Amino acid sequence: QSALTQPPSASGSPGQSVTISCTGTSSDVGGYNHVSWYQQHPGKAPKLMIYEVTERPSGVPDRFSGSKSGNTASLTVSGLQAEDEADYYCSSFAGSKHWVFGGGTKLTVL
Amino acid sequence: EVQLVESGGGLVQPGGSLRLSCAASGFTFSSNWMSWVRQAPGKGLEWVAGIKPDGSEKYYVDSVKGRFTISRDNAKSSLYLQMNSLRAEDTAVYYCAKDGSWSSDHWGQGTLITVSS
Repeated sequence: QSALTQPPSASGSPGQSVTISCTGTSSDVGGYNHVSWYQQHPGKAPKLMIYEVTERPSGVPDRFSGSKSGNTASLTVSGLQAEDEADYYCSSFAGSKHWVFGGGTKLTVL
Repeated sequence: EVQLVESGGGLVQPGGSLRLSCAASGFTFSSNWMSWVRQAPGKGLEWVAGIKPDGSEKYYVDSVKGRFTISRDNAKSSLYLQMNSLRAEDTAVYYCAKDGSWSSDHWGQGTLITVSS
């Protein structure tokens, strides 16, 4: 049950696009289409942004999109806005009703 | 509106026990998988345990197996986490989460557990 690998930081200017990667193995990310992404502002609870690799919950802006190729999932934030500055975590089903998270990526809007 | 409110956190000595509770409202509690997820200070998220809607199946991360027990009372729309033999590395904010569509779609505000002498 090793954590998924995310870059510690990412950044972009307002209006730009940024992509955050999440690398696992064939036992988690690569084995299932059950990857989700969470946004967490300081001192707040996580918020679901993407589920099932590409799906957006109602209320999440379409600037947020997800994808997956092999053992790596990605979250893309287009048209960066100041309020997008937060920590982002990926998560994947890892079989046997277990879940694994990534280490988190701090997104900075320059 | 979905609401999850955790309680029961606090300071406990190593080797001690604590029971967390999560009061749920705004959805049909008895129809949903539920999870506990923790976050150590300044660290990332870690899934801790999950429980089937009827409570018949429970799953744990290896580091808490045999020490933590997840349970639920569907009549009270409540989720619990009994934590025994607590260690310093269990210090974290513990979140209750409602599961749906293979993700945690709603989270509580969290409750802080500090294990220290």
